[in-house]
Formats: sequence, structure tokens, C-alpha cells
Amino acid sequence: EDQVTQSPEALRLQEGESSSLNCSYTVSGLRGLFWYRQDPGKGPEFLFTLYSAGEEKEKERLKATLTKKESFLHITAPKPEDSATYLCAVSRGRYYGQNFVFGPGTRLSVLP
Amino acid sequence: EAGVTQFPSHSVIEKGQTVTLRCDPISGHDNLYWYRRVMGKEIKFLLHFVKESKQDESGMPNNRFLAERTGGTYSTLKVQPAELEDSGVYFCASSQDSGRGSNYGYTFGSGTRLTVV
Repeated sequence: EDQVTQSPEALRLQEGESSSLNCSYTVSGLRGLFWYRQDPGKGPEFLFTLYSAGEEKEKERLKATLTKKESFLHITAPKPEDSATYLCAVSRGRYYGQNFVFGPGTRLSVLP
Repeated sequence: EAGVTQFPSHSVIEKGQTVTLRCDPISGHDNLYWYRRVMGKEIKFLLHFVKESKQDESGMPNNRFLAERTGGTYSTLKVQPAELEDSGVYFCASSQDSGRGSNYGYTFGSGTRLTVV
């Protein structure tokens, strides 16, 4: 069965303290791995898509990487506004991006 | 551009009643998806429309759930009759196409929080 796990479940950082979030997946026929950010009371907000092992994407303080079995979301010098739940999802449909399997998320708190 | 709009934002109904959730996708987006998160669980796929056609409804839990997208614009998700385990947050998302692209990603709405008592 296709499965996505994320660790840690929750992470508390001081402002400026860099760290990484992990997403591990077992899925047949991976079409793409997606990272989303979710704020309380809001829907997931798209961050990155990664399609093949070795691929990297960057956006401001965030950098996502992908291997054959896992993805990392690196957060460099985080700020309090980076506090959110970060969701990882894999696409396994006939078309890229269709029918996501989501992980449980990592709740990130960045303290000033 | 306007985002994905969901209505209502919250709904509290009694077990056995009927509830209809509505989603207005981003204009021009042919693909519309429904997902839900029940308490303590991951977000789970329900179904996928391409225009007015159901492309994939493998995630629909049972026949108490009925989704429609008349005219390929807005979509409704009806739960009839509602059960306690249907409580959760129902998300709608839309995308312009299903193809691969460096900036591809769904746009999600803020969700409807459904509570069945």
C-alpha cells in the first residue's frame, strides 16, 4: 500500500536555528513529490514539486531535495512567520499531480 | 485572481441530516478535486473532476457521498444521511491541467469544517 510518513511530528526552533524536515515514502510509480505549507484554518499552500531523485528546489529560506525513498525540506535561518504545518504528498496517478497521498505533516514552531 | 472558494466555512448538523458543501474553483481550471481530513488523520483524496466528468472517484467512502459538477464550473459534495464519522474538514482544490511543469501544484480552498453531532 502506498504510504507517506513525516518526521518529526513537531519541531520547535529558535529564530535563526536551521533544521530539516523528513518525508519518507513507499509508492509504486511515483509521479511527483509535493511540499505544501498549511496555516491554521487555511488550506494547504503549494511550495515545491520534485520529480526525480537528485532534484532540488529553493524558495527563500526553504530548500527541498529528493532521493529515491525520501525528501527533505531544509529551513535555513527560519523566522517566526515560517511557523506552520508542512505537508508532504506524493502523486501516483496517470497524470502528474493527480490523486495525492498526503503525509501527516510536521508542525513547525519558530520562536523569536 | 480569486482563489478557490468553499462554502460554508463551518457546518454543524445532526446525525441523519443532509449537508451540501460547495466549491468554486479558480476560473478556467478544468481539474477540481475533493479531499478531506478527519480528526487526527492525514488528508485523504475523495475524487477528481475533469470539467464535468468524474475522472477518479476511488476515494469516495460510500454511497452516502454524492459529488456533482454541473457545467464544469462549481462543484457540490452532498452527504446524505450524515454519520458521526463524516466529521472533518473537507477541502476542494483546482488546477489548470494535470501535466508536468516546474510550477505545477494545486490551489486549495480553506475548507469546510463539518461537525456531525
